[in-house]
Amino acid sequence: DAGVIQSPRHEVTEMGQEVTLRCKPISGHNSLFWYRQTMMRGLELLIYFNNNVPIDDSGMPEDRFSAKMPNASFSTLKIQPSEPRDSAVYFCASRLSGAGELFFGEGSRLTVL
Amino acid sequence: AQSVTQLGSHVSVSEGALVLLRCNYSSSVPPYLFWYVQYPNQGLQLLLKYTSAATLVKGINGFEAEFKKSETSFHLTKPSAHMSDAAEYFCAVTNNAGNMLTFGGGTRLMVKP
Repeated sequence: DAGVIQSPRHEVTEMGQEVTLRCKPISGHNSLFWYRQTMMRGLELLIYFNNNVPIDDSGMPEDRFSAKMPNASFSTLKIQPSEPRDSAVYFCASRLSGAGELFFGEGSRLTVL
Repeated sequence: AQSVTQLGSHVSVSEGALVLLRCNYSSSVPPYLFWYVQYPNQGLQLLLKYTSAATLVKGINGFEAEFKKSETSFHLTKPSAHMSDAAEYFCAVTNNAGNMLTFGGGTRLMVKP
């Protein structure tokens, strides 16, 4: 079975540009999480969906960040406009509700110049 | 809210030596506790999971962890380090509802030949 699939793996963009990160969770999983990882702040939970509905977005840094999950097999994280401080690795993870364990994608490394 | 503290952001051991990575969580007993490993440029992979079935949990690659309620600890150990164990290790706990995961700051393990 394929794991969590994220794209792109690497993205380099200029300040002010829109960035869209994509995630395909493991088939059958009904919870999806977006995390951000930086050296300074470690792993931060940005937003959590359950059955395609956002449950907790308290970790989303500001209005420039938005996330959607239009169906059970696809989610996006959008940053508009991007800033250099958004440079980080963004991870998507999925889980069967109640099972506890998260399965992570390989991450999308974002560099904003 | 749960919190997780990993003592020592960097740990260095010699090949063949005991590995001990420390994790302490906040006082309310969480439903699940985890250790994840992250190799360079990869996502997080599950090493082991505690779900109250047994206090000593065995994971992959010879790692194990012991849940000690009296010490609010879940330290990770391996009797003999291998060069391939060099990676970053994250302890994580769920909230009381079991649906949100909080990660510690991570410990980078270095293994010297």
